[in-house]
Parts: sequence; C-alpha cells; structure tokens
Amino acid sequence: DQQVKQNSPSLSVQEGRISILNCDYTNSMFDYFLWYKKYPAEGPTFLISISSIKDKNEDGRFTVFLNKSAKHLSLHIVPSQPGDSAVYFCAASVLTDSWGKLQFGAGTQVVVTP
Amino acid sequence: KAGVTQTPRYLIKTRGQQVTLSCSPISGHRSVSWYQQTPGQGLQFLFEYFSETQRNKGNFPGRFSGRQFSNSRSEMNVSTLELGDSALYLCASRRNTALNTEAFFGQGTRLTVV
Repeated sequence: DQQVKQNSPSLSVQEGRISILNCDYTNSMFDYFLWYKKYPAEGPTFLISISSIKDKNEDGRFTVFLNKSAKHLSLHIVPSQPGDSAVYFCAASVLTDSWGKLQFGAGTQVVVTP
Repeated sequence: KAGVTQTPRYLIKTRGQQVTLSCSPISGHRSVSWYQQTPGQGLQFLFEYFSETQRNKGNFPGRFSGRQFSNSRSEMNVSTLELGDSALYLCASRRNTALNTEAFFGQGTRLTVV
C-alpha cells in the first residue's frame, strides 16, 4: 500500500526555469514531510522538510508547499540548474512514531537542460 | 567527518543463499535505519535500530533481519534469497531519535540475486 505517491516519474525543465515536483499522500497521520535528492551511485541527501503546522518552508532556491486538506505537497526549485538533475524523493513520517520510519514515494527523475 | 559507510558496495548471490550487509553510521550517531530501493517502488523501510534495540520494523518477511552492535554499527541479513530481493539496500544514520534529527544515507549496497 503506497501511502506516498509521486505520480510523475520524470520531469524535464530548462535551465533557469522553475521545477515543480508534486507528491500526494493518503495517511492523514503524517505530520512531517521531507524531500531528498539522489544522484546515481550515491545515497539520498536531505534537501528540505516541512512540519504539518506550516504550509510553506523556504531554503534558498528550494521551497516546499504543504496543502493538508488536499494531502498534497510540492517542491519548487527556482531557478533550476544543471546540477539539480537527479531523482527527487518525497517522504513522510509520523513524528510520534519512529523518526526512522520514513515512507517514501517512488521518486521523480528531474533533467535540467541547458 | 566520515559519512555513513556501507559494505560491500556490490554483491552477487544465488537464489537460496543468505547475505549479510554492513553499515557503519556517522561517528556519534546511534540510530540506524535500513531501506530497500527497487525500481518503481521508491525506498521501502525495513527496520530501525537504536542503542542495539529494534525500534520499528517495516512490512518485510522474516527472512529479513538485522542487529546493531554496541558501537552502533549495524548489519542486516537476508536468508533464503529470492530473485525479487535484488535491490539497492540503503542505510541511514541519525544522531538520536529526537524530533527533526536529519537522516544521513550511505551509498548503498547493490545486491543482485541470480
């Protein structure tokens, strides 16, 4: 049962433009959400997170938006750079549960073209 | 500061065999989690260990087991390997299980079962 879904397996965007990655979840108990970035042959690296008490969190070029009523979150990357080409995973957890138990989506492959 | 180290990086095993994977967390980190990554499935949570105790377990059969040593190093074992166990196995470490403690991932062990 996939509780976190990333319905777009891939995304192509021009350098300098905005990349928007989407993620939907089904478990209303989730109260913490994270985005990870993964290059080939490397482990995922943490990008940005958001708690369910917020609807937006920004860190440099990365902004995550949370819409709890729609059980939807999105990651915006502005402006997109060639080094952003990677697989992006959305993850969710219940903070009162074990922090280690992150539920991940299947990932979105982002390709930034010159 | 050394990152999370997983050994071996690559492994080929035959169906029916068993395998042991190792994870050395970042120095000072006491929590270790294991994930299985397969194409199209994202990362699936296997289990988490903290202070040599299993805190949480994912929905995997009993063939998958793990343990953590007093120095926080962790091993996971898969017995009676099946073709479907071919995957990238990722280990993540955290300093503790407190809220908002970032997880750092290793590069993973690529297991191929033939």
